[in-house]
Amino acid sequence: AQKVTQAQTEISVVEKEDVTLDCVYETRDTTYYLFWYKQPPSGELVFLIRRNSFDEQNEISGRYSWNFQKSTSSFNFTITASQVVDSAVYFCALNGMNYGGATNKLIFGTGTLLAVQP
Amino acid sequence: GAVVSQHPSWVICKSGTSVKIECRSLDFQATTMFWYRQFPKQSLMLMATSNEGSKATYEQGVEKDKFLINHASLTLSTLTVTSAHPEDSSFYICSAPSRDSYEQYFGPGTRLTVT
Repeated sequence: AQKVTQAQTEISVVEKEDVTLDCVYETRDTTYYLFWYKQPPSGELVFLIRRNSFDEQNEISGRYSWNFQKSTSSFNFTITASQVVDSAVYFCALNGMNYGGATNKLIFGTGTLLAVQP
Repeated sequence: GAVVSQHPSWVICKSGTSVKIECRSLDFQATTMFWYRQFPKQSLMLMATSNEGSKATYEQGVEKDKFLINHASLTLSTLTVTSAHPEDSSFYICSAPSRDSYEQYFGPGTRLTVT
């Protein structure tokens, strides 16, 4: 079975604080992809990153960084110097090959609501 | 980049009526599209996979007679909520897979309110 767990339901920080959103996944696939999406109040999903299972290098993009650790099945997302505009729901998602069957369904976590206070 | 549109962006309908939501891939062809439903403060739940030229594949627990899906062309899939009830009020999002199938391009969503 494939599963994505985002244990943090809501996080509240003050502007300029750093914040880490946790994501733990389960899969039996050896090839899989992990994603982070941002969903602002407007509702539209904004793609942030895609990472395949063979690439464990950490990634940094501006104030965003991602830490992928296969040993702990985690793909955590850190926002440095948070801003009010970062307030949104953040979803972690998993897409596996399902043993070559190519169903390619995205499995979403339950999301973390991040509130950045001015 | 790949763009997926949805129409309408929001709709209010009366209980018992049907409402159609369109999902279009604007600059690419999609033989497969996905339909999700999202209740307030909840995650996205896959409802069905729309297949061009064949029947849609529904997830367990989703009523196929209530949520009619038609993938009429390589750029258009429609979801019709038939005999809508207030409990069908939700945010409906469609997506289309990337060329390598591992990524999905999401539409902006349609907010349905049934009164």
